[in-house]
Amino acid sequence: QKEVEQNSGPLSVPEGAIASLNCTYSDRGSQSFFWYRQYSGKSPELIMSIYSNGDKEDGRFTAQLNKASQYVSLLIRDSQPSDSATYLCAAANQAGTALIFGKGTTLSVSS
Amino acid sequence: DAGVTQSPTHLIKTRGQHVTLRCSPISGHKSVSWYQQVLGQGPQFIFQYYEKEERGRGNFPDRFSARQFPNYSSELNVNALLLGDSALYLCASSRSPGGEYNEQFFGPGTRLTVL
Repeated sequence: QKEVEQNSGPLSVPEGAIASLNCTYSDRGSQSFFWYRQYSGKSPELIMSIYSNGDKEDGRFTAQLNKASQYVSLLIRDSQPSDSATYLCAAANQAGTALIFGKGTTLSVSS
Repeated sequence: DAGVTQSPTHLIKTRGQHVTLRCSPISGHKSVSWYQQVLGQGPQFIFQYYEKEERGRGNFPDRFSARQFPNYSSELNVNALLLGDSALYLCASSRSPGGEYNEQFFGPGTRLTVL
């Protein structure tokens, strides 16, 4: 059973701080990894994708991938109350046809 | 450009009934995937279709079926509904199935309640 593991949280950070979200995956064949943001009652929104070891930055978001450790992370700099949401980590299966999701980490940013 | 669209938004059914959910992908996307999300969990993969062919199937019973039409829209059918089928059903579109750089974009979902 291929799995993606995330801490469910809640992770609470003050406004302006860095939020760090972590994820591990079990399928060594996975090559593509994604972070989705999901607000309560809404559908997941893709915020970052990463395919190679190392860091990928997009605005306030940085995704990090370490395939040897089977570890993916998301850093959110200068956190805002509007960042309060559930963050879902997903790994594509070997064929790339299905995304395997973690249960999500709930982030709360206080003003 | 319009995003992924799904209909209906909400649906209430009783046990044993049948339901059909519909999805239209982003223009230019040829692959559609279906996911089920129950409260407090991440989405769980049900099917992926590309060029009207099933490319992937998750661990769901045969009561779940799907198809894709020549215009790349898709339907998800669920027969003999159970209480446990109550969930948010998500459709995701991508340019093609599989491979790297294959980002999937979700529609707003259909909230199904089975009474």
